Amino acid sequence: GIQVEQSPPDLILQEGANSTLRCNFSDSVNNLQWFHQNPWGQLINLFYIPSGTKQNGRLSATTVATERYSLLYISSSQTTDSGVYFCAVSGNTPLVFGKGTRLSVIA
Amino acid sequence: EAGVTQSPTHLIKTRGQQATLRCSPISGHTSVYWYQQALGLGLQFLLWYDEGEERNRGNFPPRFSGRQFPNYSSELNVNSLELEDSALYLCASSLYVGELFFGEGSRLTVL
Repeated sequence: GIQVEQSPPDLILQEGANSTLRCNFSDSVNNLQWFHQNPWGQLINLFYIPSGTKQNGRLSATTVATERYSLLYISSSQTTDSGVYFCAVSGNTPLVFGKGTRLSVIA
Repeated sequence: EAGVTQSPTHLIKTRGQQATLRCSPISGHTSVYWYQQALGLGLQFLLWYDEGEERNRGNFPPRFSGRQFPNYSSELNVNSLELEDSALYLCASSLYVGELFFGEGSRLTVL
């Protein structure tokens, strides 16, 4: 099945800094999603981005499907951005999740 | 528009008992997915239902089962509970293929 690798596993930022999270996947996909898991466990949809580039406020994402990777950019980070960010992909099967990047933003 | 709703929020059971978790999808969504997030193990796919049929199953023993009702809601049953079944169980819904939206989860504790 599809393998998903996220990097870095952990990231500590000062408030106001920018960051880039990476997601590599092992096969062609028709669905790629980025999620933020809040401290209570809920997965919040950030982007549905099987290809191309999208932006939503301080967050943006780019997927280069031909090279099998996606990037999530967080600019001007805030303490509320803390949590775990998951990339998940699927081909013809349900979403397969990476292990996540744990982001801590300190004031 | 209501999102995916799950119940109960928390559930405490003892080893050997059965647990039933419920999920209502977003209106218009026909697919329901169940995932398990156990401590240190990440998000693991359990089951996928669409139009009342089981479409795919993850690598879990048969004591994990479920069903989808005609109104597209779903329930997950876990029989003969074991300590390692303690986890957050997340339900998601989507149109047949497309973006998944998750509920807030049901946290199961097995004592």
